[in-house]
Amino acid sequence: DAGVIQSPRHEVTEMGQEVTLRCKPISGHNSLFWYRQTMMRGLELLIYFNNNVPIDDSGMPEDRFSAKMPNASFSTLKIQPSEPRDSAVYFCASTPPGGDTGELFFGEGSRLTVL
Amino acid sequence: GDSVTQMEGPVTLSEEAFLTINCTYTATGYPSLFWYVQYPGEGLQLLLKATKADDKGSNKGFEATYRKETTSFHLEKGSVQVSDSAVYFCAPYSGAGSYQLTFGKGTKLSVIP
Repeated sequence: DAGVIQSPRHEVTEMGQEVTLRCKPISGHNSLFWYRQTMMRGLELLIYFNNNVPIDDSGMPEDRFSAKMPNASFSTLKIQPSEPRDSAVYFCASTPPGGDTGELFFGEGSRLTVL
Repeated sequence: GDSVTQMEGPVTLSEEAFLTINCTYTATGYPSLFWYVQYPGEGLQLLLKATKADDKGSNKGFEATYRKETTSFHLEKGSVQVSDSAVYFCAPYSGAGSYQLTFGKGTKLSVIP
């Protein structure tokens, strides 16, 4: 079975540009999480969705960040405008129904570099 | 909320050496406890877990025992291999609808031949 699929794997952009990261969760999973990983701050939960509805976005750093989940098989994380401090690896993870167990299935991440 | 303290890395060991990565936590009630591993260039994946006191989680030669009295969940392996080089994350999970794991900062392990 396919795991969580993220794209792009690598993105290099210039400050001020819009960045869109994409995630396809594992089929049948109904919770989706976006994390950011940096050396300084480690892993930070940005937002999570349950049944396509955003449940907690308190980790979204500021209004430049937005996330959507238009259907059960697709989510986007958008940064506009991007800044150099947004450089990080962004991970998407999903869990199945009844998956309030702490077991997350991660994608391979999208490495973002903002120049 | 939950919090976790992991031993700081990086940790460098020779192949076949014994590994211990310490982890202590604070959490509401009786959390489940997890170790996740991140290999270079990859996402995190579950390594092992324990859901109640005195449980021992094990996988790929790694073990960790849920110690409620010391709020610890130390990761051990008797003989590490080069392929174990990765970053290891300890994470308590209180559940109860929170859906949120609390990850430690991670401990980077490098195993040299």
